[in-house]
Amino acid sequence: SQTIHQWPATLVQPVGSPLSLECTVEGTSNPNLYWYRQAAGRGLQLLFYSVGIGQISSEVPQNLSASRPQDRQFILSSKKLLLSDSGFYLCAWSYKTGSSNQPQHFGDGTRLSIL
Amino acid sequence: DAKTTQPTSMDCAEGRAANLPCNHSTISGNEYVYWYRQIHSQGPQYIIHGLKNNETNEMASLIITEDRKSSTLILPHATLRDTAVYYCIVRVLGTGGGNKLTFGTGTQLKVEL
Repeated sequence: SQTIHQWPATLVQPVGSPLSLECTVEGTSNPNLYWYRQAAGRGLQLLFYSVGIGQISSEVPQNLSASRPQDRQFILSSKKLLLSDSGFYLCAWSYKTGSSNQPQHFGDGTRLSIL
Repeated sequence: DAKTTQPTSMDCAEGRAANLPCNHSTISGNEYVYWYRQIHSQGPQYIIHGLKNNETNEMASLIITEDRKSSTLILPHATLRDTAVYYCIVRVLGTGGGNKLTFGTGTQLKVEL
């Protein structure tokens, strides 16, 4: 079966510090990968998605970047965190094969607080 | 993007069916309807999805109207563990091939004794 891992589960960082959140998927190959952010009391916002190694699409202009150095690894980064980067960050994966209606499956998320 | 409209909150008695409505009047012909739920402090959990026909799996049933402008998620026998925010989402295909799911604020379902 497929599993998705995110770490850390919670993180407290000072303003201006760097960030690296990691997501890995097991049990499948060549998945589509996604990073979402959920601000307190709001819906999820898609930040980035990737259809393959080194291929990143950004959905919104922001202070963050994403990379996919390996097939099942997706990394969310920032050089200098802002207060507005606080939120609940979720990684998701979906199958690529077949029709494009494959559902996405989410990890347990990282709760990021910026002080 | 096709937008969805859901009630902010709903209550349901344990053991009864929970019927969660969703309006998506601007849905396009090739767009699927997805349902997810999110239990507090966890990642969203996929429930079910459909295009035109009604769908059923071990978790729920999805009823889509003939004109596809609305749908209803049915949890046949709700339990306390079904208390969560339920999201109705219409998929939009991303420009690079990735599936983009636009999450709204969903319906907070409270299942009570």
